[in-house]
Amino acid sequence: NAGVTQTPKFRVLKTGQSMTLLCAQDMNHEYMYWYRQDPGMGLRLIHYSVGEGTTAKGEVPDGYNVSRLKKQNFLLGLESAAPSQTSVYFCASSYVRGGVNTEAFFGQGTRLTVV
Amino acid sequence: DAKTTQPTSMDCAEGRAANLPCNHSTISGNEYVYWYRQIHSQGPQYIIHGLKNNETNEMASLIITEDRKSSTLILPHATLRDTAVYYCIVRVEEYGGATNKLIFGTGTLLAVQP
Repeated sequence: NAGVTQTPKFRVLKTGQSMTLLCAQDMNHEYMYWYRQDPGMGLRLIHYSVGEGTTAKGEVPDGYNVSRLKKQNFLLGLESAAPSQTSVYFCASSYVRGGVNTEAFFGQGTRLTVV
Repeated sequence: DAKTTQPTSMDCAEGRAANLPCNHSTISGNEYVYWYRQIHSQGPQYIIHGLKNNETNEMASLIITEDRKSSTLILPHATLRDTAVYYCIVRVEEYGGATNKLIFGTGTLLAVQP
């Protein structure tokens, strides 16, 4: 049981390049989330998904797109990377049990540097 | 914005109880209080959550005041490995409670001293 796996773990991009971060979970969770964390800051929600084929904006969605084509995968895309998107990106998943939300499980993060 | 207030940092002696406070004065009746921690730059780790009753699990205890405007996370016997940033989070309700959109603040850096 791998839990939440993020790919890649590290990446350096040039300004204007595009890339996709992959998040995969093997727990059959309905809900998935993408966060970013800047140095010395808490996590900020970028986008989230409440099920396959559905996505919604979080606190800081600008400059990012997401897709949830399969229940187990949640992709985060940067169409034209900017230095301001240098950050650590965390993916998480969770589910509802008996009408109550469970805890969120987080991946180990992707460290992205845009130069 | 996060609806919680926590001290920026705290120290605790190894082996002693660590008591981490959190204020959430605007919490609504159906919002849960969650606690997570982040060790170094790893992904956050769930600790405990509660609605109105005190809760205990193998990691910690959560004490919620009767008016629910504040809570305290208690690590009964802190170790050096408990040094981390601890986040107190009020879960935002949406879609009738079917989502778990967690809004993080900056948390409390707990430093456990030998």
